Amino acid sequence: DVKVTQSSRYLVKRTGEKVFLECVQDMDHENMFWYRQDPGLGLRLIYFSYDVKMKEKGDIPEGYSVSREKKERFSLILESASTNQTSMYLCASAERAAGVNEQFFGPGTRLTVL
Amino acid sequence: DAKTTQPPSMDCAEGRAANLPCNHSTISGNEYVYWYRQIHSQGPQYIIHGLKNNETNEMASLIITEDRKSSTLILPHATLRDTAVYYCIVRVYNTDKLIFGTGTRLQVFP
Repeated sequence: DVKVTQSSRYLVKRTGEKVFLECVQDMDHENMFWYRQDPGLGLRLIYFSYDVKMKEKGDIPEGYSVSREKKERFSLILESASTNQTSMYLCASAERAAGVNEQFFGPGTRLTVL
Repeated sequence: DAKTTQPPSMDCAEGRAANLPCNHSTISGNEYVYWYRQIHSQGPQYIIHGLKNNETNEMASLIITEDRKSSTLILPHATLRDTAVYYCIVRVYNTDKLIFGTGTRLQVFP
């Protein structure tokens, strides 16, 4: 079974801190994604990566950056955390544009910025 | 923006069929319909997808209307564990992005 793991289930940070959210997948998938989920807004795509060192902006990239140095690992970085970045963050991976394009999700990280 | 419209919530009795509707009136010929669900405190999980033919797998059935402007996800015998938010998504074939809407919250009751 595909496994997508995220470094923390819960995280509390202070405004202005630099925050790293880590995601690791074990199925050699080319594509990896970062979403945030907020009540009433559903899942929104922040960034995705289709290969090592490659990235593309999603729908809401402002205030975030990403890093993909190894195929299995995709990091989301909040350079200076703000309270409006309090949210649930979900990572996913998938084979590249395959017929099914099933995305496999991690359990999520609930980030609170105080 | 999400290209689908779903009711915000639905109820279903345990053991009965749950029929979840989705409107995608602006769908194009090369766009697939995908369904995912998200059980509380977990990440979303793929259920099924289709282009124009009806599809069935071990989890559910997907019925797409002939004009492809709407579809219905059917859980034939709903259980309490099917209580979740169900997302209907339209995706262009061979692209990598999925655009999630706000989904339908299905509550299965005993």
